[in-house]
Amino acid sequence: SQKIEQNSEALNIQEGKTATLTCNYTNYSPAYLQWYRQDPGRGPVFLLLIRENEKEKRKERLKVTFDTTLKQSLFHITASQPADSATYLCALGNYGQNFVFGPGTRLSVLP
Amino acid sequence: DTGVSQDPRHKITKRGQNVTFRCDPISEHNRLYWYRQTLGQGPEFLTYFQNEAQLEKSRLLSDRFSAERPKGSFSTLEIQRTEQGDSAMYLCASTGEPRGYNEQFFGPGTRLTVL
Repeated sequence: SQKIEQNSEALNIQEGKTATLTCNYTNYSPAYLQWYRQDPGRGPVFLLLIRENEKEKRKERLKVTFDTTLKQSLFHITASQPADSATYLCALGNYGQNFVFGPGTRLSVLP
Repeated sequence: DTGVSQDPRHKITKRGQNVTFRCDPISEHNRLYWYRQTLGQGPEFLTYFQNEAQLEKSRLLSDRFSAERPKGSFSTLEIQRTEQGDSAMYLCASTGEPRGYNEQFFGPGTRLTVL
């Protein structure tokens, strides 16, 4: 069955450093992969999408890579700020099908 | 505010009671999804609609769960004979033009507590 793992349940980093979150999957061939941010008590908010034929995507301080051979995506937040503290979810998708979410990584950026 | 609303935001019920949740998606969006999320987990897919047609339903979804989207706009999710294991956050999301089908806009969720 499909399985998605995110590197750790929680990650603590110092303000100003780069946070790197991983998303690994098995038994799935997604057409694209998404990253969402979720704050406590709220619904997820879409951040970035990367397609299977793309290696890297950037948006402001965010960078996502996608390696379909390794079945892995890396999500980077550069120059991290305490306001970046949240849970980050990866989700896999195929056209015309539903989305499958990972368990999330809770990021804490310490001042 | 993503433009997707859910009602109620919180619901406390006793085991065995029926509950119904409502989701109002972004008006231009023709796809609507329901998810369930428990603490420390990602959203788990329940079902989705394209307009008023229910296109997919999770195999994990009990027969006690039913969803409708009668006019292709708002949707309701009903849980009959609730059990304590149904306690979770129920999330609704919508997709469609103009941003396309790959970016989901989530509502704030309905937190269900079954006593």
